[in-house]
Amino acid sequence: GESVGLHLPTLSVQEGDNSIINCAYSNSASDYFIWYKQESGKGPQFIIDIRSNMDKRQGQRVTVLLNKTVKHLSLQIAATQPGDSAVYFCAETFTGGGNKLTFGTGTQLKVEL
Amino acid sequence: DAGITQSPRHKVTETGTPVTLRCHQTENHRYMYWYRQDPGHGLRLIHYSYGVKDTDKGEVSDGYSVSRSKTEDFLLTLESATSSQTSVYFCAIMTSGANTGELFFGEGSRLTVL
Repeated sequence: GESVGLHLPTLSVQEGDNSIINCAYSNSASDYFIWYKQESGKGPQFIIDIRSNMDKRQGQRVTVLLNKTVKHLSLQIAATQPGDSAVYFCAETFTGGGNKLTFGTGTQLKVEL
Repeated sequence: DAGITQSPRHKVTETGTPVTLRCHQTENHRYMYWYRQDPGHGLRLIHYSYGVKDTDKGEVSDGYSVSRSKTEDFLLTLESATSSQTSVYFCAIMTSGANTGELFFGEGSRLTVL
């Protein structure tokens, strides 16, 4: 697989704790937001999405929160596990945008045992 | 598994040479994308395709061209590679319907331009 030596913001958490990864988006017209996870040496993998008519969406151990007022998105991971160690990207797009995603620069999550 | 493969996975080339990266899918999805990933920039869209012979530019398309002559293959060409094109390139396909963000990515192709 491939990976990039990214100099990223890093979040370190203890195994079992909850993690919160934040993202600020730029386009006021964006109405659809997605979180991706990229493990070392692999391509990004879809985690969860949310549309602008919602402010919260839950998945398995993950929750995405959207605050359109301040253009902020967060990903919460409950009971963080070693397998959650990865780089997390938020992405945004808008209806009529040709299915093109704009990605954030990413956050490195490190889970300490 | 959306059946997406990239080739080559690694390539080292010299400035000024042409390079073609291939993305192959096995499931006839309509939308295909080429991204590059660089430190500090995350993933940036180069070109994308919404059908055979239907392509459009992304945010960093200068110096790149693409072709899609059949549904399963999306080619990215650097006509004359430059050192600034040293990067990891990811192909992606949209596996669900329109207006979703469920891109499925390949494993990446690391290109080094000397």
